[in-house]
Amino acid sequence: LAKTTQPISMDSYEGQEVNITCSHNNIATNDYITWYQQFPSQGPRFIIQGYKTKVTNEVASLFIPADRKSSTLSLPRVSLSDTAVYYCLVGPNTGFQKLVFGTGTRLLVSP
Amino acid sequence: SAVISQKPSRDICQRGTSLTIQCQVDSQVTMMFWYRQQPGQSLTLIATANQGSEATYESGFVIDKFPISRPNLTFSTLTVSNMSPEDSSIYLCSVYRGPYEQYFGPGTRLTVT
Repeated sequence: LAKTTQPISMDSYEGQEVNITCSHNNIATNDYITWYQQFPSQGPRFIIQGYKTKVTNEVASLFIPADRKSSTLSLPRVSLSDTAVYYCLVGPNTGFQKLVFGTGTRLLVSP
Repeated sequence: SAVISQKPSRDICQRGTSLTIQCQVDSQVTMMFWYRQQPGQSLTLIATANQGSEATYESGFVIDKFPISRPNLTFSTLTVSNMSPEDSSIYLCSVYRGPYEQYFGPGTRLTVT
Protein backbone atom coordinates (compact mmCIF):
# COMPACT_ATOMS: atom_id res chain seq x y z
CA LEU A 1 0.00 0.00 0.00
CA ALA A 2 1.24 3.45 -0.86
CA LYS A 3 2.18 5.59 2.11
CA THR A 4 0.19 8.82 2.34
CA THR A 5 0.98 12.11 4.03
CA GLN A 6 -1.64 14.71 4.90
CA PRO A 7 -1.63 17.84 7.04
CA ILE A 8 -2.71 17.02 10.57
CA SER A 9 -5.16 19.89 10.77
CA MET A 10 -6.61 22.80 8.83
CA ASP A 11 -8.78 25.74 9.79
CA SER A 12 -11.24 27.56 7.58
CA TYR A 13 -14.23 29.85 7.71
CA GLU A 14 -17.70 29.34 6.39
CA GLY A 15 -18.07 30.04 2.70
CA GLN A 16 -14.43 29.47 1.84
CA GLU A 17 -13.06 26.80 -0.47
CA VAL A 18 -10.89 24.25 1.31
CA ASN A 19 -8.21 22.22 -0.41
CA ILE A 20 -6.67 19.28 1.41
CA THR A 21 -3.60 17.79 -0.21
CA CYS A 22 -2.41 14.23 0.18
CA SER A 23 1.08 13.15 -0.87
CA HIS A 24 1.59 9.62 -2.14
CA ASN A 25 4.99 9.55 -3.82
CA ASN A 26 5.15 5.77 -4.21
CA ILE A 27 1.74 5.33 -5.78
CA ALA A 28 1.58 2.29 -8.06
CA THR A 29 0.23 2.21 -11.61
CA ASN A 30 -2.98 0.43 -10.63
CA ASP A 31 -3.60 2.41 -7.43
CA TYR A 32 -6.66 4.58 -6.96
CA ILE A 33 -7.06 7.46 -4.54
CA THR A 34 -10.00 7.39 -2.16
CA TRP A 35 -11.16 9.92 0.40
CA TYR A 36 -13.28 9.34 3.48
CA GLN A 37 -14.94 11.87 5.76
CA GLN A 38 -15.60 11.24 9.44
CA PHE A 39 -17.86 13.52 11.42
CA PRO A 40 -17.56 13.58 15.20
CA SER A 41 -19.25 10.58 16.79
CA GLN A 42 -19.89 8.88 13.45
CA GLY A 43 -18.25 6.24 11.30
CA PRO A 44 -16.23 7.29 8.24
CA ARG A 45 -18.11 7.96 5.02
CA PHE A 46 -16.78 7.28 1.52
CA ILE A 47 -16.90 10.57 -0.38
CA ILE A 48 -14.88 10.30 -3.57
CA GLN A 49 -12.47 8.14 -5.53
CA GLY A 50 -10.36 8.80 -8.58
CA TYR A 51 -7.46 7.66 -10.72
CA LYS A 52 -6.33 10.70 -12.66
CA THR A 53 -7.29 14.25 -13.66
CA LYS A 54 -10.47 15.42 -11.98
CA VAL A 55 -13.47 13.77 -10.39
CA THR A 56 -16.45 15.72 -9.09
CA ASN A 57 -19.56 14.70 -7.21
CA GLU A 58 -22.14 16.40 -5.06
CA VAL A 59 -19.82 16.46 -2.06
CA ALA A 60 -16.37 17.33 -3.35
CA SER A 61 -13.89 17.44 -6.21
CA LEU A 62 -10.73 15.44 -6.44
CA PHE A 63 -7.80 16.77 -8.45
CA ILE A 64 -5.00 14.42 -9.44
CA PRO A 65 -2.01 15.75 -11.40
CA ALA A 66 -0.44 13.83 -14.24
CA ASP A 67 2.34 12.32 -12.10
CA ARG A 68 -0.27 11.16 -9.52
CA LYS A 69 2.18 11.66 -6.67
CA SER A 70 -0.30 13.83 -4.86
CA SER A 71 -3.99 14.58 -4.88
CA THR A 72 -6.17 17.40 -3.64
CA LEU A 73 -9.61 17.12 -2.15
CA SER A 74 -11.52 20.32 -2.75
CA LEU A 75 -14.56 21.30 -0.70
CA PRO A 76 -16.37 24.30 -2.20
CA ARG A 77 -17.89 26.90 0.11
CA VAL A 78 -17.58 24.96 3.35
CA SER A 79 -20.09 25.23 6.14
CA LEU A 80 -19.84 24.45 9.84
CA SER A 81 -21.14 20.97 9.09
CA ASP A 82 -18.03 20.19 7.05
CA THR A 83 -16.03 20.09 10.26
CA ALA A 84 -14.68 16.54 10.18
CA VAL A 85 -11.59 14.41 9.75
CA TYR A 86 -10.70 13.66 6.14
CA TYR A 87 -8.73 10.54 5.28
CA CYS A 88 -6.81 9.87 2.07
CA LEU A 89 -6.28 6.22 1.13
CA VAL A 90 -4.33 4.86 -1.82
CA GLY A 91 -4.41 1.34 -3.18
CA PRO A 92 -5.43 -0.93 -6.06
CA ASN A 93 -9.00 -0.76 -7.27
CA THR A 94 -9.30 -4.49 -7.88
CA GLY A 95 -10.58 -7.20 -5.60
CA PHE A 96 -10.84 -6.86 -1.89
CA GLN A 97 -8.53 -4.34 -0.30
CA LYS A 98 -8.21 -3.65 3.39
CA LEU A 99 -8.68 -0.06 4.40
CA VAL A 100 -5.64 1.30 6.21
CA PHE A 101 -6.47 4.66 7.70
CA GLY A 102 -3.73 7.16 8.43
CA THR A 103 -4.07 10.03 10.85
CA GLY A 104 -6.19 12.07 8.46
CA THR A 105 -6.68 15.84 8.34
CA ARG A 106 -8.83 17.43 10.99
CA LEU A 107 -10.74 20.30 9.37
CA LEU A 108 -12.30 22.89 11.63
CA VAL A 109 -14.74 25.32 10.03
CA SER A 110 -15.52 28.42 12.04
CA PRO A 111 -18.28 31.01 11.61
CA SER B 1 -25.37 2.51 0.01
CA ALA B 2 -26.19 0.38 3.03
CA VAL B 3 -27.87 1.28 6.28
CA ILE B 4 -25.95 -0.10 9.23
CA SER B 5 -27.00 -0.02 12.85
CA GLN B 6 -25.05 -0.94 15.94
CA LYS B 7 -26.16 -1.81 19.43
CA PRO B 8 -25.45 -0.57 21.98
CA SER B 9 -24.51 2.93 20.92
CA ARG B 10 -22.50 3.34 24.09
CA ASP B 11 -21.83 1.48 27.32
CA ILE B 12 -19.85 1.78 30.49
CA CYS B 13 -18.51 -1.52 31.74
CA GLN B 14 -16.44 -2.74 34.62
CA ARG B 15 -13.05 -4.29 34.07
CA GLY B 16 -13.08 -8.05 33.79
CA THR B 17 -16.49 -8.21 32.18
CA SER B 18 -17.43 -8.77 28.53
CA LEU B 19 -19.58 -6.80 26.13
CA THR B 20 -21.15 -8.02 22.90
CA ILE B 21 -21.70 -5.44 20.17
CA GLN B 22 -24.24 -6.10 17.46
CA CYS B 23 -24.08 -4.93 13.86
CA GLN B 24 -27.14 -5.12 11.62
CA VAL B 25 -27.18 -4.32 7.89
CA ASP B 26 -30.28 -3.63 5.83
CA SER B 27 -29.08 -5.78 2.91
CA GLN B 28 -27.12 -8.95 2.42
CA VAL B 29 -23.37 -8.49 2.35
CA THR B 30 -20.56 -10.97 2.02
CA MET B 31 -17.82 -9.16 3.87
CA MET B 32 -18.13 -7.31 7.15
CA PHE B 33 -15.39 -5.75 9.19
CA TRP B 34 -14.78 -4.63 12.73
CA TYR B 35 -12.60 -1.64 13.57
CA ARG B 36 -11.44 0.03 16.74
CA GLN B 37 -10.88 3.75 17.10
CA GLN B 38 -9.18 4.80 20.29
CA PRO B 39 -9.77 8.33 21.58
CA GLY B 40 -8.31 10.90 19.20
CA GLN B 41 -6.81 8.22 16.98
CA SER B 42 -7.42 6.78 13.56
CA LEU B 43 -9.22 3.52 12.83
CA THR B 44 -7.54 0.15 13.19
CA LEU B 45 -8.94 -2.99 11.58
CA ILE B 46 -9.61 -5.75 14.10
CA ALA B 47 -10.92 -8.50 11.84
CA THR B 48 -12.75 -9.44 8.68
CA ALA B 49 -15.93 -11.49 9.11
CA ASN B 50 -17.29 -13.50 6.20
CA GLN B 51 -20.48 -15.45 6.54
CA GLY B 52 -19.85 -19.15 6.86
CA SER B 53 -16.20 -18.95 7.79
CA GLU B 54 -14.02 -18.06 10.73
CA ALA B 55 -13.13 -14.43 11.15
CA THR B 56 -9.68 -13.34 10.02
CA TYR B 57 -7.87 -11.29 12.64
CA GLU B 58 -5.26 -8.62 12.09
CA SER B 59 -1.93 -8.61 13.83
CA GLY B 60 -2.33 -7.71 17.48
CA PHE B 61 -5.90 -8.97 17.78
CA VAL B 62 -6.83 -12.48 18.87
CA ILE B 63 -10.00 -14.50 18.84
CA ASP B 64 -9.97 -15.14 22.59
CA LYS B 65 -10.12 -11.41 23.26
CA PHE B 66 -12.40 -10.39 20.38
CA PRO B 67 -14.60 -13.33 19.37
CA ILE B 68 -16.74 -12.59 16.33
CA SER B 69 -19.86 -14.26 15.06
CA ARG B 70 -21.34 -13.99 11.57
CA PRO B 71 -24.49 -16.12 11.58
CA ASN B 72 -26.00 -14.72 8.38
CA LEU B 73 -25.46 -12.18 5.61
CA THR B 74 -26.97 -9.24 7.48
CA PHE B 75 -25.67 -9.59 11.02
CA SER B 76 -22.46 -9.86 13.03
CA THR B 77 -21.37 -9.52 16.63
CA LEU B 78 -18.08 -8.57 18.22
CA THR B 79 -17.42 -9.45 21.84
CA VAL B 80 -14.83 -7.58 23.84
CA SER B 81 -13.80 -10.06 26.52
CA ASN B 82 -12.24 -9.63 29.94
CA MET B 83 -12.18 -5.89 29.46
CA SER B 84 -9.58 -3.52 30.81
CA PRO B 85 -9.49 0.30 30.66
CA GLU B 86 -7.22 0.00 27.60
CA ASP B 87 -10.21 -1.41 25.70
CA SER B 88 -12.03 1.90 26.01
CA SER B 89 -12.60 2.84 22.39
CA ILE B 90 -15.17 3.28 19.70
CA TYR B 91 -15.89 0.01 17.93
CA LEU B 92 -17.23 0.23 14.39
CA CYS B 93 -18.51 -2.30 11.94
CA SER B 94 -18.47 -1.81 8.20
CA VAL B 95 -19.52 -3.63 5.05
CA TYR B 96 -17.66 -4.09 1.81
CA ARG B 97 -19.15 -2.45 -1.27
CA GLY B 98 -16.18 -2.37 -3.60
CA PRO B 99 -12.45 -1.81 -3.72
CA TYR B 100 -11.70 0.81 -1.09
CA GLU B 101 -15.41 1.42 -0.63
CA GLN B 102 -16.91 0.45 2.71
CA TYR B 103 -19.95 1.68 4.58
CA PHE B 104 -19.61 2.14 8.29
CA GLY B 105 -21.99 1.90 11.19
CA PRO B 106 -22.31 4.71 13.73
CA GLY B 107 -20.02 3.02 16.21
CA THR B 108 -20.27 1.81 19.80
CA ARG B 109 -18.54 3.96 22.38
CA LEU B 110 -17.17 1.73 25.13
CA THR B 111 -15.80 2.98 28.41
CA VAL B 112 -14.20 0.51 30.79
CA THR B 113 -13.82 1.54 34.40
